[in-house]
Amino acid sequence: DTAVSQTPKYLVTQMGNDKSIKCEQNLGHDTMYWYKQDSKKFLKIMFSYNNKELIINETVPNRFSPKSPDKAHLNLHINSLELGDSAVYFCASTKWESGTQYFGPGTRLLVL
Amino acid sequence: GESVGLHLPTLSVQEGDNSIINCAYSNSASDYFIWYKQESGKGPQFIIDIRSNMDKRQGQRVTVLLNKTVKHLSLQIAATQPGDSAVYFCAETLGGSNYKLTFGKGTLLTVNP
Repeated sequence: DTAVSQTPKYLVTQMGNDKSIKCEQNLGHDTMYWYKQDSKKFLKIMFSYNNKELIINETVPNRFSPKSPDKAHLNLHINSLELGDSAVYFCASTKWESGTQYFGPGTRLLVL
Repeated sequence: GESVGLHLPTLSVQEGDNSIINCAYSNSASDYFIWYKQESGKGPQFIIDIRSNMDKRQGQRVTVLLNKTVKHLSLQIAATQPGDSAVYFCAETLGGSNYKLTFGKGTLLTVNP
């Protein structure tokens, strides 16, 4: 009965590798987001999709590529991982114009 | 650029006391504000929101106050409990929707038994 789920929960990988993290929501929402939370707990939006269309694309290295195969899923692929990519990545979803974003449990990425 | 910030990065209170967490925002055009609670190892959880046409909104044990004159937002938690220990974030957005939230830095609330 999880509303917003992410996989994997933990991801430890070497520099230079390519990895993907996935998000799914069963709330019937039409808008999904990726956020990055750094070691100081600062949360910053990266991308947003509305009805599978990219609507927010913040200043993020192009090594990060989001994909939304349908309204319930939003994935994030990261190429050539760097040490600075280590963070917690949160997915969130909302009904457009509704006012509340629901967050997933986060994916803890550690790049060695 | 525009930013949302918090006056106090940490707050320690005794169980049963009331807690007040403050937030300053710099974008006077922001018209929708949200408080989130993030427990250790979890994602942010919606607590309460307020639109700019209101000064105060109450929920269960929580109250949000908005002072547009000084661009200040506060979250009051009544009878704070150990389960309230978490990081609290304020967030702002424009246009009445939350399609792009800007988060503040977060305040760590610790409740002592």
